[in-house]
Amino acid sequence: SQQGEEDPQALSIQEGENATMNCSYKTSINNLQWYRQNSGRGLVHLILIRSNEREKHSGRLRVTLDTSKKSSSLLITASRAADTASYFCATAQGAQKLVFGQGTRLTINP
Amino acid sequence: EAGVAQSPRYKIIEKRQSVAFWCNPISGHATLYWYQQILGQGPKLLIQFQNNGVVDDSQLPKDRFSAERLKGVDSTLKIQPAKLEDSAVYLCASRKPGSYNEQFFGPGTRLTVL
Repeated sequence: SQQGEEDPQALSIQEGENATMNCSYKTSINNLQWYRQNSGRGLVHLILIRSNEREKHSGRLRVTLDTSKKSSSLLITASRAADTASYFCATAQGAQKLVFGQGTRLTINP
Repeated sequence: EAGVAQSPRYKIIEKRQSVAFWCNPISGHATLYWYQQILGQGPKLLIQFQNNGVVDDSQLPKDRFSAERLKGVDSTLKIQPAKLEDSAVYLCASRKPGSYNEQFFGPGTRLTVL
């Protein structure tokens, strides 16, 4: 079953704007990961945040985690056309198993 | 470092036929996963191997799906007989040991069942 629920399901913004995607989950987690999937391709890992961390940065990506609310957000700053993709949050239950959400389809308009 | 390899990339079959997918993980990655991704949804775990042993196959439809990982390296996933609802992308991923390591995904096999 899908644990992570992303919001919104689809997002369309202008190039240069920031994009924010949210993820909610139901059970306790070991860590939460975000992945990107370009059309017709495999998933690429973006960032991992541990359950005892609250915020993490990687380049133009910023991830927050609120374990009390069982939610996470992914912020992409200064978006580019190449950021057009589907973004999935995945919760790690235990050390090795990931449960993926339904994803957010992000479109960056030139 | 070579990535996760999968073949074939595309497969079209008639319902009730059988099909097999192959995956070669990244060298040294003990954990291997097979996911099913239906269009518009996130990947759903079918089976997880640790070396050549099954760790989790709770969501594998065992009446028609089977998977093996001989010698703890590459793996095959088989569907027999296929149903229309099996149309999906089948993703293979691998992961190196450690609690906070990400999974590396292959390009997937897109299966269409007619």
